[in-house]
Amino acid sequence: DVQLLESGGGLVQPGGSLRLSCAASGFTFSGYAMIWVRQAPGKGLEWVSAISGSGGSTYYADSVKGRFTISRDNSKNTLYLQMNSLRGEDTAVYYCAKYGAAAGTRPYYFDYWGQGTLVTVSS
Amino acid sequence: DIQMTQSPSSLSASVGDRVTITCRASQSISSNLNWYHQKPGKAPKILIFAASNLQSGVPSRFSGSGSGTDFTLTISTLQPEDFATYYCQQSYSTPFTFGPGTKLDIK
Repeated sequence: DVQLLESGGGLVQPGGSLRLSCAASGFTFSGYAMIWVRQAPGKGLEWVSAISGSGGSTYYADSVKGRFTISRDNSKNTLYLQMNSLRGEDTAVYYCAKYGAAAGTRPYYFDYWGQGTLVTVSS
Repeated sequence: DIQMTQSPSSLSASVGDRVTITCRASQSISSNLNWYHQKPGKAPKILIFAASNLQSGVPSRFSGSGSGTDFTLTISTLQPEDFATYYCQQSYSTPFTFGPGTKLDIK
């Protein structure tokens, strides 16, 4: 069975940094692009970042560009999100999710999601 | 960026009802539209991808249609487990924006 398990969330002060991890199992990790999506408390879903299966291509929402870095270690079946210069508006549950189609082919959709990890940015 | 809107923002219905939720994109996205639902405290779950394709394991009472800018999600016969928030998402171009959600609750 496909499993995605996020970790690394917690309380951090404004301006601080945090690294989220997403441990994947049950599928050929390197064969699938992955994404991070966040959800602020009581709000809707916001796409944050995506990375190709090889890690060679990355994409970011304007709201996090220059502050967040997505990466992956295919030898460890793990996805990461390095978050720097954190702001109050980054407070959210962060989900990792797997693309539904292999090798980054269309259609693009996200078929498995982790349970989420909460990031709280507050002094 | 492509903006997504949904209507209604909330909806009250009864078990057994037929329900339709609409989603509109700010520009043509062909058939690059997905539907998810989410229950409180849980991760989103894919229902429909590429506008009209039912994800494996999702009950056939869910269906999707549309292309270009206008899309619909229909639940033919509401079941108790269907009360949740529904989101559309465009996957035509990054950022893959979501709609604001439609909260479906019990009348």
